Amino acid sequence: DSGVTQTPKHLITATGQRVTLRCSPRSGDLSVYWYQQSLDQGLQFLIQYYNGEERAKGNILERFSAQQFPDLHSELNLSSLELGDSALYFCASRATGHETQYFGPGTRLLVL
Amino acid sequence: AQSVTQLGSHVSVSEGALVLLRCNYSSSVPPYLFWYVQYPNQGLQLLLKYTTGATLVKGINGFEAEFKKSETSFHLTKPSAHMSDAAEYFCAVSDLANAGGTSYGKLTFGQGTILTVHP
Repeated sequence: DSGVTQTPKHLITATGQRVTLRCSPRSGDLSVYWYQQSLDQGLQFLIQYYNGEERAKGNILERFSAQQFPDLHSELNLSSLELGDSALYFCASRATGHETQYFGPGTRLLVL
Repeated sequence: AQSVTQLGSHVSVSEGALVLLRCNYSSSVPPYLFWYVQYPNQGLQLLLKYTTGATLVKGINGFEAEFKKSETSFHLTKPSAHMSDAAEYFCAVSDLANAGGTSYGKLTFGQGTILTVHP
């Protein structure tokens, strides 16, 4: 158990819909990262938050957004969903002063 | 920009044989390098990491990797494969050149190598 939790574990929805994925980092970790894992793109960095502020952006679509709340949990919002958004979405957290990111179990999104 | 190349999307070995998973990286800053393992329907678990210091690093489950700057490589090895090692392995490089602070630290992953272990 990494200490990072993600909900829900599975999500099935339809094209055009909007979903929210939730992540709770390890206790005390201020940095949260979101990654997408798909068969065609592999594991890709989406976005990073540090103590409530956006720090870095990767290959994140404009239809996707994220935020980190005062209690440090983070949410990834995916809107106007397309079939190609079906993937496994991971959240990871990192403690300040340390190099390792600890990954949650992921949320598997299926868009039908 | 950073990149990682894992040679071989599938590697098959017999139980008890040497495991060698290859990883080459490209980085404009001193790299921090990681190997993660992903078992079916699970998240990524850290096997080992290189930041600074000793270039041969040991990880969990008997795995080790050697950082070779001249070859820009970070290959993962295990002397004797076990059935439980069957999984997908990812090499990753971080842009976190300095430990601490609010540096970005995003990971760039290789394409992954699926390890199959035969009895």
